[in-house]
Amino acid sequence: DADVTQTPRNRITKTGKRIMLECSQTKGHDRMYWYRQDPGLGLRLIYYSFDVKDINKGEISDGYSVSRQAQAKFSLSLESAIPNQTALYFCATSGRDSTDTQYFGPGTRLTVL
Amino acid sequence: QKEVEQNSGPLSVPEGAIASLNCTYSDRGSQSFFWYRQYSGKSPELIMFIYSNGDKEDGRFTAQLNKASQYVSLLIRDSQPSDSATYLCAVLGSSNTGKLIFGQGTTLQVKP
Repeated sequence: DADVTQTPRNRITKTGKRIMLECSQTKGHDRMYWYRQDPGLGLRLIYYSFDVKDINKGEISDGYSVSRQAQAKFSLSLESAIPNQTALYFCATSGRDSTDTQYFGPGTRLTVL
Repeated sequence: QKEVEQNSGPLSVPEGAIASLNCTYSDRGSQSFFWYRQYSGKSPELIMFIYSNGDKEDGRFTAQLNKASQYVSLLIRDSQPSDSATYLCAVLGSSNTGKLIFGQGTTLQVKP
């Protein structure tokens, strides 16, 4: 089984709808991250969490919110989806050491019509 | 100036050649550097990390770091068509927050 899983893998929704993307990990890592990827823009950090009670905004948090339900689960919500949130979304995890490698989930392709 | 810069490419090399991928970064205090490979529509996967100046070799891959020049590179020897992908350079900043800053990636095409 994959160490980092994301659900759903693909989602098409309409403008104004609320969407939740979920991430689970079995690596036992404390740190979890949400990124979005757009063509030509690379990976951009949305939110990150170093433990259940520590959640921080990344560089592009506007329009998004997160919930860290447990050490192993980190969810990303779009309260009212808009078309420019159409992107590939990745969850990642890493260990407690700041130099630890980040491991990525398989991604969620989100299309907002 | 972007924090981490890569030439977007595409970089095209013939099969069996050496592919050289380059990355520059702006935070002089950065300590850790990572190279990820990403196939189209897939998630990034770690190829190598490097912390110290000099070269680090792993199979056909060599990472090179020059902190004075704020430059990190990835060499792929004996390039194969299966190496065709986008290569992402990522830098851990000096603020010790655990946040990686990614370059936009370089697309490599290895032609048979």
